[in-house]
Amino acid sequence: GQNIDQPTEMTATEGAIVQINCTYQTSGFNGLFWYQQHAGEAPTFLSYNVLDGLEEKGRFSSFLSRSKGYSYLLLKELQMKDSASYLCAVMDSNYQLIWGAGTKLIIKP
Amino acid sequence: ETGVTQTPRHLVMGMTNKKSLKCEQHLGHNAMYWYKQSAKKPLELMFVYNFKEQTENNSVPSRFSPECPNSSHLFLHLHTLQPEDSALYLCASSQDRGGPDTQYFGPGTRLTVL
Repeated sequence: GQNIDQPTEMTATEGAIVQINCTYQTSGFNGLFWYQQHAGEAPTFLSYNVLDGLEEKGRFSSFLSRSKGYSYLLLKELQMKDSASYLCAVMDSNYQLIWGAGTKLIIKP
Repeated sequence: ETGVTQTPRHLVMGMTNKKSLKCEQHLGHNAMYWYKQSAKKPLELMFVYNFKEQTENNSVPSRFSPECPNSSHLFLHLHTLQPEDSALYLCASSQDRGGPDTQYFGPGTRLTVL
């Protein structure tokens, strides 16, 4: 079966750095997506990785290791507005997105 | 603002009611999706349309009936729902189906079935 695992909840301090991990087992691989979802709002696209390595986009970076079936989202200089759920999703061989249950990130002052 | 709008944002209905959810995308995309999001569960893909044709139906009960009159509009018709159908229903669109295209989501309709 296909499976995406990510922690249910994480807590971090404003101004700090946090890493949200995602491991996956899927039928084929056509890329990994990270989305941010604030409570009651639409999931919004953050990043897409299809090759191994680190992609940096401002305060957010995303890493992929295809051989390990592993990705992480790194958030630097945390701000209170970063409190949200972060969704990891893998696109399988049929170009269907397989979703994790999301990681709720709580930022404390 | 993602370019995908959904109405209504909130809906409360009885088990015998009939209602419809509406989604509109202003991105010029060809593929549209309905997802169900329940608390602490992964998003569940319900239906996919590509160029107005339904390409996937992930074993969704017949009490959910999709309609896609054109590439910009998508509806989900609801009838005789069950309380376990209460969830956030998300609409998304992407350039095409069948490629690694990013999906863009609407804000969802929070559905409560009494």
